[in-house]
Order: sequence, then structure tokens, then C-alpha cells
Amino acid sequence: GAVVSQHPSWVICKSGTSVKIECRSLDFQATTMFWYRQFPKQSLMLMATSNEGSKATYEQGVEKDKFLINHASLTLSTLTVTSAHPEDSSFYICSATDRPNEKLFFGSGTQLSVL
Amino acid sequence: GQNIDQPTEMTATEGAIVQINCTYQTSGFNGLFWYQQHAGEAPTFLSYNVLDGLEEKGRFSSFLSRSKGYSYLLLKELQMKDSASYLCAGIYNFNKFYFGSGTKLNVKP
Repeated sequence: GAVVSQHPSWVICKSGTSVKIECRSLDFQATTMFWYRQFPKQSLMLMATSNEGSKATYEQGVEKDKFLINHASLTLSTLTVTSAHPEDSSFYICSATDRPNEKLFFGSGTQLSVL
Repeated sequence: GQNIDQPTEMTATEGAIVQINCTYQTSGFNGLFWYQQHAGEAPTFLSYNVLDGLEEKGRFSSFLSRSKGYSYLLLKELQMKDSASYLCAGIYNFNKFYFGSGTKLNVKP
């Protein structure tokens, strides 16, 4: 199956700093990438949908100025958590699809801990 | 989102059969996925239903009723390694994936 690479796997940072998470599709062109957030023992919450070359579409309640998404190429999307605070600590996971209405391929996730 | 509901937790015995139900909002619905997720890991794909009916894949089967907004995942011959969370996910408007809260399955000897 298709491979999605996500880096870093985990990051610890101080409150107020910004953290960038990368998501790459290694063997296919990802026209659409999704960013999810997952709290312990909870399911995946869709944060935003990103299409290559256009602005990301954010879900209700997700601050677009705080969670900056860039999808500059068909194989790379980045999520930047700006001025991170402890409440932003969570598991962030990206996913991608190469065709509309087809299954998602997931990255391995990034565990963010903000001190 | 999209009112995707599934039970929080279930327990079953090794070798048995278990059915995990999922209900969802039908407006804008295109298809339904089931994923398995072990703690701390990314979800892995199990099945995809677009049309009504049962899709069988080895020990796992998935059923969909579009008119009722209902799906289930059936796991047969349960093994200890099947202990995981099972996520029901709907695709809406051809480009949005929404997940249910997940069902934690505990398989006991």
C-alpha cells in the first residue's frame, strides 16, 4: 500500500514556541491531505483539509492562525502549531489520499508535548 | 462530526464473534470505512463500503445500510491481537473524512 511519512514522531517544546510537523506521501501524489488531532482514548478529530496549491479548509472551532497548514506540493503538507501552549499537547496525525473518495493512508503521527 | 456513533467499549472472548455497530448522519454521505488502531499507533485500514450489503475479507466483514445510516464490523474467530480500538469513519461530500469516537475491544482468553 501507499506510504505516508510523518516527522517528527514526537516533540517536546516550551510554551510559546512554534512547532512544524511534516507529512509526505512517498510513492503517490496526494491531491488531498487531512490533519487530525487525537486526545488520549478519544477518536480522531478532523482539523483541516488541505488541497495542493490552495488554502486549507478548517473545521469549525479550529483556529487557522494557530494551526498553519501549507500544501505546497503534491507530496508535502506541513502543519505548524504557532505559539504552542500546554493545551495544544496532543497526538497529531496526517493522512492522504491519491484519489477522491478513496481510502486514507495515515502517517505515523506526532506526539506533541508542550511544557 | 456528522453524528457518527459507536459503542465506547466492548469485551469478547478469544475464538468468539463480535459485532461493532456504527450509526451515522446520512446527509452528504458517500461511503464508510472501518479502521483498526492500536494504542499509540496510526490507524490501519480494514474495510470500505459504498453500496448496501456485506463485504467479507477474511475474519473481518463489514455491512452497510445506506437508507438506515447503519454499519457494522463483524470480527470472527477472535484473537488476542484483535484487542484494539475500531474506528468507524464516513466520507462526506466526496472530500471529508469524519471519524466516530472509536470502540475499544477487549479480547479475553
